[in-house]
Amino acid sequence: DTAVSQTPKYLVTQMGNDKSIKCEQNLGHDTMYWYKQDSKKFLKIMFSYNNKELIINETVPNRFSPKSPDKAHLNLHINSLELGDSAVYFCASSQTGGVGNSPLHFGNGTRLTVT
Amino acid sequence: KNQVEQSPQSLIILEGKNCTLQCNYTVSPFSNLRWYKQDTGRGPVSLTIMTFSENTKSNGRYTATLDADTKQSSLHITASQLSDSASYICVVSGQAGTALIFGKGTTLSVSS
Repeated sequence: DTAVSQTPKYLVTQMGNDKSIKCEQNLGHDTMYWYKQDSKKFLKIMFSYNNKELIINETVPNRFSPKSPDKAHLNLHINSLELGDSAVYFCASSQTGGVGNSPLHFGNGTRLTVT
Repeated sequence: KNQVEQSPQSLIILEGKNCTLQCNYTVSPFSNLRWYKQDTGRGPVSLTIMTFSENTKSNGRYTATLDADTKQSSLHITASQLSDSASYICVVSGQAGTALIFGKGTTLSVSS
């Protein structure tokens, strides 16, 4: 009965490879997000999708491309991985985006290690 | 510049003691302020959400306060338990269409 699930939990890969992280939410939420948490535990928004439409695209390299096949799924594809991409990536969802008062529901993260 | 500052960066307390975490923000206009708890290896979990008109909100042993005039919030934990050991993150929501602004968190360690 996991609300927001993301796979894989751990991902170890070499520089230059392409990898994907999948996310699914069963809460019926309209908005989904990808966050990056660096080694200092600081969470930073990467993308936000509302009903399959991109609404927030912070300054991230275009090697990162989100894909939302439907409003319950938001996958993250990363091309040409670099050492600096090593971090924990969190998927989240909420009933409303922006300033709505609904809380974010986070997945348990994908720890990406690029060697 | 919209910012959220938390203090202290880390805190160690004995089981059963109370503690208070601080959050100051410069986000304007302001919509709401949230506190999240993040256990090691897990995603953040929402504790409270407070709007402009709310001064205090409780969730079990967690009580959050908000002073929208001074742009300060606190999270008070009563009778701490070992399971309270986690990172506590303050998040502020600004005007419509902008992303949530996260603080860097306070790491709390509760020891027996």
